[in-house]
This record gives sequence, C-alpha cells and structure tokens, in this order.
Amino acid sequence: EVQLVESGGGLVQPGGSLRLSCAASGFTFSSYWMSWVRQAPGKGLEWVANIKQDGSEKYYVDSVKGRFTISRDNAKNSLYLQMNSLRAEDTAVYYCARVVYAIDYYYYMDVWGKGTTVTVSS
Amino acid sequence: EIVLTQSPGTLSLSPGERATLSCRASQSVSSSYLAWYQQKPGQAPRLLIYGASSRATGIPDRFSGSGSGTDFTLTISRLEPEDFAVYYCQQYGSSRVTFGQGTKLEIK
Repeated sequence: EVQLVESGGGLVQPGGSLRLSCAASGFTFSSYWMSWVRQAPGKGLEWVANIKQDGSEKYYVDSVKGRFTISRDNAKNSLYLQMNSLRAEDTAVYYCARVVYAIDYYYYMDVWGKGTTVTVSS
Repeated sequence: EIVLTQSPGTLSLSPGERATLSCRASQSVSSSYLAWYQQKPGQAPRLLIYGASSRATGIPDRFSGSGSGTDFTLTISRLEPEDFAVYYCQQYGSSRVTFGQGTKLEIK
C-alpha cells in the first residue's frame, strides 16, 4: 500500500525550531518529487516547499524562505522539513505529498499523508 | 505569483443536483498544471482531477473538469451525500504552487 506518514509535530515557542519527518512506503520514493503543504486552523491549503528526486532542486513559498529547509534521504525513504525561527503564523497541520510531475504534461499531488500538527505559541 | 480565486465561497445544494465550481487565475495557467482536490473535515486532501480534465484513479465519472487559460471549472453532475466537502484548485508554474482559497459545498 502506498503510504506517507508524517511525524515530529508539537508545541514550540516562537523563535524555536522543529524538524518534521515523512516516511514513505509502497512506492519507489527516489522516483518522485515531494512536497510539504500546510493548513492553518480553519484556513485553506498553502504549499510550503518542493524537492526534486535527487534533492538537487528545492523551492519554497516566500513566507518560509530562509527559515525552512526541505530535504530527503532516499536510502531511508524519508522526507524532512527543518523549521527554524518559527512564528505564530506557522501554526498549522503539515502534510507531505507525493508529486507527479512531467514537464509540459502534468503536475499534481496524488498521495498525501494524514498530517502532523505544529503549534507555535508561548 | 499566480493567484487562484475560487467562486462561490460556499455553495448550498441538495443531493441529486448539479454543482459547478469555478477557479479563476490572475494570469494564464497551463492546463497541464491545473488540479482539483476534495477535502473533508479532519482528513487530508484527495486528488480528483489533474491536467484540468483528467480524473484521478478511482474518482467517479460524475466529477469532471474543464477550462483553459484563466478560467477552470469543476462540475459534479449529480451530487451524492459523500460529495459535500471543501474543494480546492491548484496550479503549478515557475517552480511554485498555489491553491485557491476553496469552495465549501454544503447540503441545502
């Protein structure tokens, strides 16, 4: 079964750090781009970051650039999001998602984890 | 950044009725890179449509997508009770992804 399982969420003070993990199973992890998407309480979806199959390309939404770092370990079938200098507005459920991407043909997220909750508060 | 605006914000319909959800982009979007998702309370989003009009695996044929350029539509031909949820459109361009703010489809 194709599956993504996030972990690492929790309560952190403003200015603190947290590292999220996403464990992939049931598919060839190294063949896919991967994404992090978040959802603040009662709000819509917001894309956070993307990473290419080999980790050579990474892209971020402007609001997290310089604070968050996406990475992956293909040997461990795992995706990560290192979050530093956290702010109250980073409070959200964070989902990892598998990206199906072929230039000029399609881009979509077809497998999602259940999410992990990050709360930034003093 | 391309902004996606979905309308209406809330759509109140009855089971069996037809639902038409709109997604308008602030500039032209490649149809290849336009997708729709459904999200129910407490659940992760679920892919419905990709490439503007292709149904994802396992999605019933009452769901259809259309459009091009700046105007895209998700249509649910005959609403079933399980279709009441929030729907998001999503685009990819210039290595960035944006989502619409969502349309809540509620039971009338």
